[in-house]
Amino acid sequence: AQSVTQPDIHITVSEGASLELRCNYSYGATPYLFWYVQSPGQGLQLLLKYFSGDTLVQGIKGFEAEFKRSQSSFNLRKPSVHWSDAAEYFCAVGPGTYKYIFGTGTRLKVLA
Amino acid sequence: DAGVIQSPRHEVTEMGQEVTLRCKPISGHDYLFWYRQTMMRGLELLIYFNNNVPIDDSGMPEDRFSAKMPNASFSTLKIQPSEPRDSAVYFCASSPRGRGYTFGSGTRLTVV
Repeated sequence: AQSVTQPDIHITVSEGASLELRCNYSYGATPYLFWYVQSPGQGLQLLLKYFSGDTLVQGIKGFEAEFKRSQSSFNLRKPSVHWSDAAEYFCAVGPGTYKYIFGTGTRLKVLA
Repeated sequence: DAGVIQSPRHEVTEMGQEVTLRCKPISGHDYLFWYRQTMMRGLELLIYFNNNVPIDDSGMPEDRFSAKMPNASFSTLKIQPSEPRDSAVYFCASSPRGRGYTFGSGTRLTVV
């Protein structure tokens, strides 16, 4: 079955520290992969996406993600976290039929 | 571009009443999606359209829910009659051929 797993429900980091949010997927074909961010009371904003090509993808707000086919992972990283990065982050995987599957989200807290 | 526009932002209604949520997708996006978000179930895809035609409504929870897309610039999600368990945030998203969604800000529905 197709699925997306975000194993960390909550993560707390200090401002300026590095960040890695994990995402593992189960999918039968080459997936489209996405990371979205949701601030309180807001909709989801696309951070970055992977369709093909270079497995290291750069996104907005200084985020990047790496597609590792052998590990079925698409982890999100940021070298130095800012207080404004506190939000909920969702990983999603999609087929060509455009019906994406979202993970359950990871809530990021940033300590000053 | 104004993005995906949803109205109203908040809706409070009494059980048994009809509720209509509205969405204006981004011009040129040929896919439109309705999602529901709750703490318990996360993000659930309710229905999606391609070129105004419903493609997959398997996520619509009950016959009380219906969705229409009369033209490329407007869609509605209707709940009749509403129940307290329908309380959630409802998101509309649009996409150009599925290559990453743009979400609206959502409608927070409270049924009392």
